[in-house]
Amino acid sequence: GENVEQHPSTLSVQEGDSAVIKCTYSDSASNYFPWYKQELGKGPQLIIDIRSNVGEKKDQRIAVTLNKTAKHFSLHITETQPEDSAVYFCAASMKSGAGSYQLTFGKGTKLSVIP
Amino acid sequence: NAGVTQTPKFQVLKTGQSMTLQCAQDMNHNSMYWYRQDPGMGLRLIYYSASEGTTDKGEVPNGYNVSRLNKREFSLRLESAAPSQTSVYFCASSATPSSGNTIYFGEGSWLTVV
Repeated sequence: GENVEQHPSTLSVQEGDSAVIKCTYSDSASNYFPWYKQELGKGPQLIIDIRSNVGEKKDQRIAVTLNKTAKHFSLHITETQPEDSAVYFCAASMKSGAGSYQLTFGKGTKLSVIP
Repeated sequence: NAGVTQTPKFQVLKTGQSMTLQCAQDMNHNSMYWYRQDPGMGLRLIYYSASEGTTDKGEVPNGYNVSRLNKREFSLRLESAAPSQTSVYFCASSATPSSGNTIYFGEGSWLTVV
């Protein structure tokens, strides 16, 4: 099955600086890569996603890049703010044996933005 | 604007007891999922239901059963709880099980087995 590695596990940045979280995946058949943000005591929420036919996608201060050859993708947050503090998860989607698609998640990165 | 609603929010069980986690979605989604989240382990899929009337095992199904009661509801049952099942459980749904469909998560159920 798919295996998703995520680094770093914790990340502290000063407010206004950029934060980068990196993920690698093992199965070249994976074709959809979402990023989720989880605030304390809440469920994960999708913040951005990218499909395998696109190399980069940007939404305001958040961007995601994908390198299919190297099988890695990254989340970039610019001009970080205290409200960006949360746990971030990457995921990869691949076809399951039942014909549907399943997400495999990385283990998460706890981002702390220091005011 | 409820989205995915799961109950209970918190539960303490004794080893060997049984319980059912309830989940309902109001987005008319076909697919529903149960995940567990453990420290340092990310989210792992327990069971999913690609559409009403179907259920399939995920990565960690042992010790659990599920029922897709109707299109809206998907329950997770622990028949004989074990301390290893202490975890945070998330129900989720998506329009279809196709790649690229956003998965929406509930707020989580904190389960402790003593």
